[in-house]
Amino acid sequence: EVQLVESGGDLVQPGGSLRLSCAASGFSFSDHYMDWVRQTPGKGLEWVGQVRNKANSYFTQHAPSVKGRFTISRDDSKNSLYLQMNSLRTDDTAVYYCADLGAGPDYWGQGTRVTVSS
Amino acid sequence: DVVMTQSPLSLPVTLGQPASISCRSSQSLVHSDGNTYLSWFQQRPGHSPRRLIYKVSNRDSGVPDRFSGSGSGTDFTLKISRVEAEDVGLYYCLQSTQRPYTFGQGTKLEIK
Repeated sequence: EVQLVESGGDLVQPGGSLRLSCAASGFSFSDHYMDWVRQTPGKGLEWVGQVRNKANSYFTQHAPSVKGRFTISRDDSKNSLYLQMNSLRTDDTAVYYCADLGAGPDYWGQGTRVTVSS
Repeated sequence: DVVMTQSPLSLPVTLGQPASISCRSSQSLVHSDGNTYLSWFQQRPGHSPRRLIYKVSNRDSGVPDRFSGSGSGTDFTLKISRVEAEDVGLYYCLQSTQRPYTFGQGTKLEIK
């Protein structure tokens, strides 16, 4: 059974940092491009960014709204995906999902909630 | 960035009746490889999104055949032939032809 399990969501003050993790199982994680997607009540779903696989040099791309503040990475030895979030702002408040949005079967985690507030 | 515009944003439907959601992109979604990477997602209340349709018209495994996708270029449609109670939720289109990937605003389907 495919599972993506996010963790690390928390309440953090503006300007703070947080690292989200996503543990994958049940599929060949290392072969897949992986994405982070967030959801806010007011703005729906927003693609945060993507990390490619080893064959594509672990190339990363980030949405303009988070570029320079967020960094996506992965550790294939641990079947894990990460999202390092720095300089957090109130509008980063959202549920963050790890997902595989590729051409094959889609996989989504259950999400982890990040609240940025003083 | 490619802007995805969905309509309607709210869709009240009688059980057993058809429903249709439109999604328009600000640029053609035809990739250089010839494919069009337009997907549709359903999000039931309290659940993560789930893909229904990929590459415009291909149904994902386990998706009922009352769901269908069509379109080309910049205009796309998700149709439900006969709405059932379990179809209540939010529906999003996603373009993954060009990064950054972009979603439509979402359409809330409810039962009248």
